[in-house]
Amino acid sequence: QSALTQEASVSGTVGQKVTLSCSGNSNNIGRYPVGWYQQISHGAPKIVMFGNSLPSGIPDRFSGSKSGTTHSLTISGLQPEDEADYYCSTWDNSLSAWVFGGGTELTVL
Amino acid sequence: QLELQESGPGLVKPSETLSLSCAVSGGSISRSSFFWGWIRQAPGKGLDWIASINYSGTTYYNPSLKGRLTISIDTSRNQFSLKLTSVTAADTAVYYCATVAGETGARYFDFWGQGSLVTVSS
Repeated sequence: QSALTQEASVSGTVGQKVTLSCSGNSNNIGRYPVGWYQQISHGAPKIVMFGNSLPSGIPDRFSGSKSGTTHSLTISGLQPEDEADYYCSTWDNSLSAWVFGGGTELTVL
Repeated sequence: QLELQESGPGLVKPSETLSLSCAVSGGSISRSSFFWGWIRQAPGKGLDWIASINYSGTTYYNPSLKGRLTISIDTSRNQFSLKLTSVTAADTAVYYCATVAGETGARYFDFWGQGSLVTVSS
């Protein structure tokens, strides 16, 4: 069981806005910024969001936000190439470990 | 831009030791702001952090694997390594090495290697 909870699957149509969520607690998301990683077809993960900051080269249709102990990744204007598995991750102070969510499979219909 | 490349045997027998190395190119492994880490992904499963180390040898280990793990760094060869002892089929996974960028309290996995599949089987 993962320390961070994500939806198992989310789907949307091209051009739609979708939001993926990542829920934790005061020892992880409540204390540290969250990274979001995109994994396409079981290839190497790639960071697409850190906190509310967009890494270099990531399109600005990706955005991040936090409310309490839940962090969200929003994709505005969904594109076919966004179809992937998305994982959230952060440090957990009580576990003294990096923790990942179980991942969300995003399908573009 | 940093590039990372994992290397190691693709097949390890149960109860033996899994050894992997990660060669870093495009920059020095001695960068004081970086940690270097290992993450694995079992078939059909999610990502699981294993261990991290910085240039001075400060280490962090996944508590669920601690006792079986050793992470080390070789600044002369610009690479870092992982050893996992007493492996079982549950250790079968794709093993990724990655940079851990950012600052204390605000770090993330930045550059990733392509991954190395390790199968534990007799």
